Amino acid sequence: KQEVTQIPAALSVPEGENLVLNCSFTDSAIYNLQWFRQDPGKGLTSLLLIQSSQREQTSGRLNASLDKSSGRSTLYIAASQPGDSATYLCAVEDYGQNFVFGPGTRLSVLP
Amino acid sequence: EAQVTQNPRYLITVTGKKLTVTCSQNMNHEYMSWYRQDPGLGLRQIYYSMNVEVTDKGDVPEGYKVSRKEKRNFPLILESPSPNQTSLYFCASSFPPYTGELFFGEGSRLTVL
Repeated sequence: KQEVTQIPAALSVPEGENLVLNCSFTDSAIYNLQWFRQDPGKGLTSLLLIQSSQREQTSGRLNASLDKSSGRSTLYIAASQPGDSATYLCAVEDYGQNFVFGPGTRLSVLP
Repeated sequence: EAQVTQNPRYLITVTGKKLTVTCSQNMNHEYMSWYRQDPGLGLRQIYYSMNVEVTDKGDVPEGYKVSRKEKRNFPLILESPSPNQTSLYFCASSFPPYTGELFFGEGSRLTVL
């Protein structure tokens, strides 16, 4: 059964720092991997979607990489801002049309 | 505006009183799904639907029912709610499945007393 983990569970950094969030999954038989942002009491917003055949995706200050064979993805946030404070979740879609989510990384960017 | 709309956003009910949480999307998406989010357990899939009249169980389907009579709507039905179904529920949709970005609703916070 697919399991997704994320490290660290929480992270607090000063504004302007570059940071890396990690996501690991146990079964490499996936269609894609997505990174989401969740603000308190809100729904999830998709940030980046990486197809299984791709190695990385970029959107603005965000860059996500995927190493399917090793079961790992990283989300890189450049020049962090207080508005980036949120919980970041990764999710993989397996061959059964099932999305499996990680527990999330709670990020605080301090002004 | 492209969106997934859930109602109600907040609900307090009592054990055994049937309730329905509605979900509607305006993006003509084929794939729709329901999740519950609990502290320490993360997001878990309840049911999903690949298209009209096609539904399948996710990881935690017990105590829930769904139907997909129209492409845009995917209601979640709790026939006899119990306190362990107190949770934050999310509906999501995408088009097409396998390759699509997943769009989420704002969530429905349900408390069962």
